[in-house]
Amino acid sequence: AQKVTQAQTEISVVEKEDVTLDCVYETRDTTYYLFWYKQPPSGELVFLIRRNSFDEQNEISGRYSWNFQKSTSSFNFTITASQVVDSAVYFCALSAFDSNYQLIWGAGTKLIIKP
Amino acid sequence: DTGVSQNPRHKITKRGQNVTFRCDPISEHNRLYWYRQTLGQGPEFLTYFQNEAQLEKSRLLSDRFSAERPKGSFSTLEIQRTEQGDSAMYLCASSLGDFSYEQYFGPGTRLTVT
Repeated sequence: AQKVTQAQTEISVVEKEDVTLDCVYETRDTTYYLFWYKQPPSGELVFLIRRNSFDEQNEISGRYSWNFQKSTSSFNFTITASQVVDSAVYFCALSAFDSNYQLIWGAGTKLIIKP
Repeated sequence: DTGVSQNPRHKITKRGQNVTFRCDPISEHNRLYWYRQTLGQGPEFLTYFQNEAQLEKSRLLSDRFSAERPKGSFSTLEIQRTEQGDSAMYLCASSLGDFSYEQYFGPGTRLTVT
């Protein structure tokens, strides 16, 4: 069965701190895709990154970075030097053959950045 | 084309009424998805289209729900005989290809059934 676990329900940090959002997934497939989305208070889900299971390279985009580790089935997301505009709910999602490639979503982590 | 659009953004209706929502995907995207999201939860898959063909519907989707994508462009989601439990945010997304591609979401339609 496919599953995505985001154990952190809510994280609160002060602006400029670094913060890591955890994502642990379960799948029996060898080919799968992982995604992160951001949902700010306005409500619109914003695509951040897609990673396929054969590409374990970490990725950095500005203040955002992602650490994909197949050995621990994790795809963690770090925001460096957080800003108030980073406040949002962040979702991790998985797409794999077992779920007929439907997106399986984590429950989301609410990130609060205090000024 | 700047993104996925949805109309209306908000809808308040009385229990038992029918409602219809519209989604306009990104123009070159052949896949279109409908999701429902309630407070504090991730999106819940409802159905998706490849061009004009509806390829899958969630088992959770009541027969009061119907979706169309008549010309493979915009899509409509209709809920008949609304119930209070239908109150949620209805999200539309589109993608260039199959589920391995990222999906781009619209702003959603918030439905309140009184």
